[in-house]
Amino acid sequence: QSVLTQPPSVSAAPGQKVTISCSGNSSNVGQGYVSWYQQLPGTPPKLLISANNQRPSGIPDRFSGSKSGTSATLAITGLQTGDEADYYCGAWDYSLTAGLFGGGTRLTVL
Amino acid sequence: EVQLVQSGAEIKKPGESLQISCQASGYSFTDFWIGWVRQMPGKGLEWMAIIHPGESTTRYSPSFQGQVTISADKSTSTAYLQWSTLKASDAAIYFCVRRLTGGPTLDYWGRGTVVSVSS
Repeated sequence: QSVLTQPPSVSAAPGQKVTISCSGNSSNVGQGYVSWYQQLPGTPPKLLISANNQRPSGIPDRFSGSKSGTSATLAITGLQTGDEADYYCGAWDYSLTAGLFGGGTRLTVL
Repeated sequence: EVQLVQSGAEIKKPGESLQISCQASGYSFTDFWIGWVRQMPGKGLEWMAIIHPGESTTRYSPSFQGQVTISADKSTSTAYLQWSTLKASDAAIYFCVRRLTGGPTLDYWGRGTVVSVSS
């Protein structure tokens, strides 16, 4: 069981918006930054969002991140079939002095 | 261009030792943390360990402390992950990652090394 909690799956129709939550505690999400990663089938994960809401170069603005307290959220607007993937949140745990991932959320674009 | 080039797939038996590698290029190897992430078949990502090659400082997830050893060679800009005694449950894909300073962000990922462990 992951320390960071994500819903196992979400789904929405093309063109719609979906949000994925990531819940932690005061030792991790509540104390530092959250990152988000996208893993397309059969490929390595790719950084989507860093420092809660920063998009690396090349990531479309359809992807956005936010954080409030001990929870973070990834939002994807204008869903495309190519967005079908597993999404993971990541954070640093200051008590463990180690990194953490959420359990992952599978996005299905219906 | 930052690149993390990992060693090839391994097929091992339980009880054997193993070392996999990740050669970094395109940046100053001693300025960034580099580490490893495990993905077991059909499962999620697990943060394992990181090392700062410039300071020789390491951090391990409690789940992996004592199970693996991370190391780095500054002369070849290569990070390593080592097992002294493999178990069947070590079968997974292992991703090499670069960590941005000051946060949890893993900004570059290698293609992964598949480790199979079976008698």
